[in-house]
This record gives sequence, C-alpha cells and structure tokens, in this order.
Amino acid sequence: GAVVSQHPSRVICKSGTSVKIECRSLDFQATTMFWYRQFPKQSLMLMATSNEGSKATYEQGVEKDKFLINHASLTLSTLTVTSAHPEDSSFYICSARDRRGLITGRYGYTFGSGTRLTVV
Amino acid sequence: QQQVKQSPQSLIVQKGGISIINCAYENTAFDYFPWYQQFPGKGPALLIAIRPDVSEKKEGRFTISFNKSAKQFSLHIMDSQPGDSATYFCAANAGNNRKLIWGLGTSLAVNP
Repeated sequence: GAVVSQHPSRVICKSGTSVKIECRSLDFQATTMFWYRQFPKQSLMLMATSNEGSKATYEQGVEKDKFLINHASLTLSTLTVTSAHPEDSSFYICSARDRRGLITGRYGYTFGSGTRLTVV
Repeated sequence: QQQVKQSPQSLIVQKGGISIINCAYENTAFDYFPWYQQFPGKGPALLIAIRPDVSEKKEGRFTISFNKSAKQFSLHIMDSQPGDSATYFCAANAGNNRKLIWGLGTSLAVNP
C-alpha cells in the first residue's frame, strides 16, 4: 500500500532558528501534498496544498514566508518553519495523493506519521 | 464557519458496546466522506469512507450510515474494544483540489 514517511517524528529547536520537516512517498509519486498543523485535542488545520510543478497554495491566515513548502520532486516535499517561535509549537502532518489515485485510491490520501515540533 | 459538524466531542463506551459518532454537512457538492482514526502522536489513518450514492458501507466492525437528504453521516463501531480508544474525525471533500474539510473530532474511550 501507499506509504508516506515523515521525518523527524519529534524536534526541539531554539526560538529564532529554522526547522525542516520532510515527507517522502515511498512507493508512489505524490503529485499533490497537503500540509496540516494540529494543536492538542483539536482538529487538523490545512496549511497549504502543493501540486507537483506548481507553487504551494496557502490557506488564508498562513504566512507563506514563515512556512516554506517545497515540493522538490514527485517523492519529496518539505516544510520549513523559519524563525520559529514558541507559538509555532504544534504537531505537523503531511498527506499525499498520486495523480489519478491509482495508489492512494481514487478519493484517498495517505498521511505521514506527524512531527511534534517544540520551540523553546 | 464549520462546514462539517461532528458530535459528540467525547464518548465513553463499555467493551462490547456500540460506539456511534455523528456528522452533518451543508455543502451538497461534497462527494466523499471518510472517517479517520488517530492515536496520540500519530497521523490519522483512514478507517472507512463512503460516497453519496450508497446509504451504508460496512467493513468489519465499522459501518458508515449515510443520509443524503438529511446531509448526515455516522460511524458505528460494533463490539467496541479498548484498542479502539482513539480520536475519530469525519471529513468531506469535493472539487478538483480535493481538500478535506474536517470535523472537530471525537475522543472515544472504551472501558475494559
């Protein structure tokens, strides 16, 4: 089945530094990647959508200069939190689809296991 | 504005009982209704999904009931087990970008 590998699973960084989170599709080409953040006991909040070959589309209220998304290849997408601050501490999750859903399912998505970011 | 309303927020069920979680939506353009299960510190995992052309779908102990006219759908977990204790999210989507619209989640605890 479709697998998305997300790393790191946990990261602690100092305020003001940048952190990169990677998501790799292991056995399919991820033509679309979604990035979410989730606060404790809350739902998933979509941050941005990136389609292969295009710039990411950010949801309203999400700072594109702070949360840099790179869909470098059909198997790799990265989220860089720049100049991180304690309020950026959250659980970040990626999910992916392949072009026609041949692997992820026509209406399906495959999620990474998430990254717990703590900014101190 | 919450496009997918989920209830209850939390649920406690005895082992062997039936867990029922409900969701309602407004957008009639939604054409895919998945349920996700999430354990603490993990990403969500697809549990079961339904399209609006069927009224019920069953996979093992999990059943989705779908009422198109009422714009409601629900998840039933039969013979609930302690291992089912997790947070459950309903979702819906439509459109070419296939963005998922999420419910707020239900925290399920199954007592042994």
